[in-house]
Amino acid sequence: DQQVKQNSPSLSVQEGRISILNCDYTNSMFDYFLWYKKYPAEGPTFLISISSIKDKNEDGRFTVFLNKSAKHLSLHIVPSQPGDSAVYFCAASDGNTGKLIFGQGTTLQVKP
Amino acid sequence: DGGITQSPKYLFRKEGQNVTLSCEQNLNHDAMYWYRQDPGQGLRLIYYSQIVNDFQKGDIAEGYSVSREKKESFPLTVTSAQKNPTAFYLCASSIIHKRYTEAFFGQGTRLTVV
Repeated sequence: DQQVKQNSPSLSVQEGRISILNCDYTNSMFDYFLWYKKYPAEGPTFLISISSIKDKNEDGRFTVFLNKSAKHLSLHIVPSQPGDSAVYFCAASDGNTGKLIFGQGTTLQVKP
Repeated sequence: DGGITQSPKYLFRKEGQNVTLSCEQNLNHDAMYWYRQDPGQGLRLIYYSQIVNDFQKGDIAEGYSVSREKKESFPLTVTSAQKNPTAFYLCASSIIHKRYTEAFFGQGTRLTVV
């Protein structure tokens, strides 16, 4: 059973526009959420995170929103740049067990 | 430089053989993780460890084994019992005492069964 789901396998946006990547989770014990960026044949790199006590965290062009009641989070990239093209993974951490679970990933393509 | 190192980058194995993937970190992190990535799929958790000499199964532990004899090292053995071992394997580590902290990843090992 997939505890962290990214239902959109791919997303294509124009340079300068907003990219919105979505993630849903089922386990209410998750208390920390992270977004990672990954290029082929490399390890993921950390992008931004949010704890369950917050509903928004912003870092430059990247903002993560958390809706706990809906068990949903999203990553907004504004403005999108061609260098943002990569696979984006959503991850959730269970603070009690130490488990870190990832979604399936969304491939973002930003067109010049 | 502090970091997490996986070796080798590419590994070929004959069917029926066990193979061990190395993961070493000098970040003084408590927790370490092993994930597997298949084409078009996400990162699936194989095993994780929060402390030396202790580890827990993830979602797809069958056919794999690990050890955590040292804080810095968390090797993964892919046994002959693993039905479909060809994949990209990723190791990660994180701090435990800081509750909200990210995991850092190695560069991965691509295992191919020939």
